[in-house]
Amino acid sequence: IAGITQAPTSQILAAGRRMTLRCTQDMRHNAMYWYRQDLGLGLRLIHYSNTAGTTGKGEVPDGYSVSRANTDDFPLTLASAVPSQTSVYFCASSDSKFGEVGELFFGEGSRLTVL
Amino acid sequence: GQNIDQPTEMTATEGAIVQINCTYQTSGFNGLFWYQQHAGEAPTFLSYNVLDGLEEKGRFSSFLSRSKGYSYLLLKELQMKDSASYLCAVPDSNYQLIWGAGTKLIIKP
Repeated sequence: IAGITQAPTSQILAAGRRMTLRCTQDMRHNAMYWYRQDLGLGLRLIHYSNTAGTTGKGEVPDGYSVSRANTDDFPLTLASAVPSQTSVYFCASSDSKFGEVGELFFGEGSRLTVL
Repeated sequence: GQNIDQPTEMTATEGAIVQINCTYQTSGFNGLFWYQQHAGEAPTFLSYNVLDGLEEKGRFSSFLSRSKGYSYLLLKELQMKDSASYLCAVPDSNYQLIWGAGTKLIIKP
């Protein structure tokens, strides 16, 4: 059982480059999320999707975009990377509908370094 | 707004009991979550409390007091593998989780 798969697991990127972090889940969960985790800070929500075809902005959406063309995939794109986007990025999914709060299942994370 | 406070780091001895506290401020309340995160790994779900009181699950228990905006995670019979960060989270008004910075628990033999 794969659960949630993220790719790449690690990447070093030059500032100004475009980068897409991939996330795929095989649990048929409605909701998907992208978080970033920085030392000393809690997980911060970047973007989320309650169901295929819809997306929403989280706490720190600037510089990031997402799409949800189908249930399984939720890619995160950095249009023009900046050093402050150096972080560990976690994709997560939940079998919850809007108005509900469910357990989150996380991918293994993508460590991104922007130089 | 929402705010969550947890101690940054705690140290305990193998075999002992430790209590990790979490205080929160939220405009509404839709439950409180605890997650465990080992270094370099993804967070994993531990517990969800929506009603006041203590919920026990093996060596781990979670307590909630909604009137006090307070929760704790109680870990008994500590094992070295319990060394990890413990994350407290509450949903905001849009049902998205707001996370504390986490408590790093160090277990010593």
